[in-house]
Amino acid sequence: SQQGEEDPQALSIQEGENATMNCSYKTSINNLQWYRQNSGRGLVHLILIRSNEREKHSGRLRVTLDTSKKSSSLLITASRAADTASYFCAPQGKLIFGQGTTLQVKP
Amino acid sequence: SAVISQKPSRDICQRGTSLTIQCQVDSQVTMMFWYRQQPGQSLTLIATANQGSEATYESGFVIDKFPISRPNLTFSTLTVSNMSPEDSSIYLCSVDLRLAGGEQFFGPGTRLTVL
Repeated sequence: SQQGEEDPQALSIQEGENATMNCSYKTSINNLQWYRQNSGRGLVHLILIRSNEREKHSGRLRVTLDTSKKSSSLLITASRAADTASYFCAPQGKLIFGQGTTLQVKP
Repeated sequence: SAVISQKPSRDICQRGTSLTIQCQVDSQVTMMFWYRQQPGQSLTLIATANQGSEATYESGFVIDKFPISRPNLTFSTLTVSNMSPEDSSIYLCSVDLRLAGGEQFFGPGTRLTVL
């Protein structure tokens, strides 16, 4: 198992702007998952991307995976105040979580 | 996906007492996990609970403090024993839907405050 490391730790943007957060990991994986956590609540599964996929979309979310660089990114387009949350990536296996990226979207 | 419920959603307990948290899933799953999230921190895995076998605990967590039951493929309990204020956390259960492609889903969490 390994931990994903999110970057930046904190991000503040205006509503309507795009938000990009990155994730790095250390060893080869078969898949990687992204989660959102609103303050004090459970984790919401956003997307799973497999190692043979380079990009995946879900609504306003776009996830990329670069296995050569051992990194992934999550792009939220046209952000909304409701997107304010912490975002975590989790490389495959026994999920170990980093500190996440705290996103604040200002109305 | 999976629908996961936890009971209680929150509780305030006295030091020295124990609390049992229940996790119910709407489908049969092989692997269930229990996590702790202390205030302002990320999630930490406590243990992995597979049906029919003893739970596997992560470093820093022991069965006497966090006994886990897994009586069937849709249910698990985590007990926080002999609680102290340091146990104040959100406790989350999670399931791994390997048969559905490997996604891991989380319950809504149990917010525990120990006085």
